Amino acid sequence: QSVLTQPPSASGTPGQRVTISCSGSSSNIGSNPVTWYQQLPGTAPKLLVSTDNQRPSGVPDRFSGSKSGTSASLAISGLQSEDEADYYCAAWDDSLNGRVFGTGTKVTVL
Amino acid sequence: EVQLVQSGAEVKKPGESLRISCKDSGYTFTTYWISWVRQMPGQGLEWMGKIDPTDSDTNYGPSFQGHVTFSVDKSTNTAYLQWSNLKASDTAMYYCAREGGITMVRGTIKYYMDVWGQGTAVTVSS
Repeated sequence: QSVLTQPPSASGTPGQRVTISCSGSSSNIGSNPVTWYQQLPGTAPKLLVSTDNQRPSGVPDRFSGSKSGTSASLAISGLQSEDEADYYCAAWDDSLNGRVFGTGTKVTVL
Repeated sequence: EVQLVQSGAEVKKPGESLRISCKDSGYTFTTYWISWVRQMPGQGLEWMGKIDPTDSDTNYGPSFQGHVTFSVDKSTNTAYLQWSNLKASDTAMYYCAREGGITMVRGTIKYYMDVWGQGTAVTVSS
C-alpha cells in the first residue's frame, strides 16, 4: 500500500499551470529527498524532478518541485498535450527502511 | 548513454518458477544498487526492494520478503528477479531501476532511482 498520498487526478487546458501534491510524514518526506516520476501511457516511469527541485538534463523547466515539512509538490507550468501522463512522488522511509511511492496522479490536458 | 535492458514478456502457469533479467549498459554495474518495482494492472508503483551488485546484499520490501529473490551476475552486468512458486496475483509489469541519483542530506549521502528499464510484463494464468 502507498504511504504517500496524492490526488487521483488533475487537469488543465494548454498553457495553464497544474500543481500536484504529495503528502507524507516525518519518516519519509520530512527527512529525505523527494523525487518525481512521469509515466507516459504504456511506458516505463522516467525521472522528472530529483532531490526536491533538481531536474535531470532534458527535462523542460516547465516542471518544478518543492517541499515544505512533510509535503511536496510538483508544478507543471505552460501545460502541453504531451504532459498527459501519470505522475508519482517517491521518498525513502526511515521507519520502514524502504522506498515509498505516492498513490499517483493522472494529469489530463483538456 | 546509460541503459537498463530487461528481458521479454513472460506467460506462466500458477506454481511455475520464473526468472527475469535486467542488464546494464553504459556504466559500472557494481557502482549502484538496483531496485525492483512492481506495477499491477491499472495500479500504481510499488517498491519491491533492492540489491547491491557488489556483494549481493539485499533489502526487501515487507510485502515481498520471502516471495521473491533478487540476485546478480557481475560477469554479465545483469540483475535478476525470480519466483519459485508463481501465483495469479504476481501478474504485473516489473521494472528495474538504478539507484544512481545522489544527493547529500545533513551530511548523509542519499540515493534515488534515476534510470529505469523498459519493464517486463509477467502474466500468470492457468
